[in-house]
Amino acid sequence: AQSVTQLDSQVPVFEEAPVELRCNYSSSVSVYLFWYVQYPNQGLQLLLKYLSGSTLVESINGFEAEFNKSQTSFHLRKPSVHISDTAEYFCAVSDPLLGGGGNKLTFGTGTQLKVEL
Amino acid sequence: DAMVIQNPRYQVTQFGKPVTLSCSQTLNHNVMYWYQQKSSQAPKLLFHYYDKDFNNEADTPDNFQSRRPNTSFCFLDIRSPGLGDAAMYLCATGVAGYNEQFFGPGTRLTVL
Repeated sequence: AQSVTQLDSQVPVFEEAPVELRCNYSSSVSVYLFWYVQYPNQGLQLLLKYLSGSTLVESINGFEAEFNKSQTSFHLRKPSVHISDTAEYFCAVSDPLLGGGGNKLTFGTGTQLKVEL
Repeated sequence: DAMVIQNPRYQVTQFGKPVTLSCSQTLNHNVMYWYQQKSSQAPKLLFHYYDKDFNNEADTPDNFQSRRPNTSFCFLDIRSPGLGDAAMYLCATGVAGYNEQFFGPGTRLTVL
């Protein structure tokens, strides 16, 4: 069974400082990795994804994540955070072979990013 | 814009009183998912539909049922809600064979 570990439950950081949110996974099959962001009382929004190809993936709002197969990691980084980045961030791994035509997302427990002035 | 819609956004029910949550989509995706997210926890898959085929997760309680009358709509029925069923319920859609899922805004269920 696949699993995702997000070691940091909360990460406080000052505005304009860099941040890294850590994610490690375990999987015995091909790996498809995602970062989702969740604002209070809202659903999950896809931030970025790794399916294949370049191991460095970027989002439109300045986040990036690097797939590292040897370290089984997919850490999320941003060089300069903004107050509006305050949210819960979930790392997820997808099992593409779930019976029934779908796929199963297994999520980590989430990291609360709190950006302070 | 194509999207996933969940109604209501907030639902209050009484202990043991059946409740139905609704999800609709304009993406024409053939897969629809229901996740349960309890406070400060990760979302957990309850079940999904691939077209009309229902796929239940092994650890989903029998108290939870689902219906998908057509491609656009999917319902989550909780037959006898308990206090432990209070949570955010997230609907998501996807295309079979593709890994990305598109989430709705969620319905927060309160059980009194």
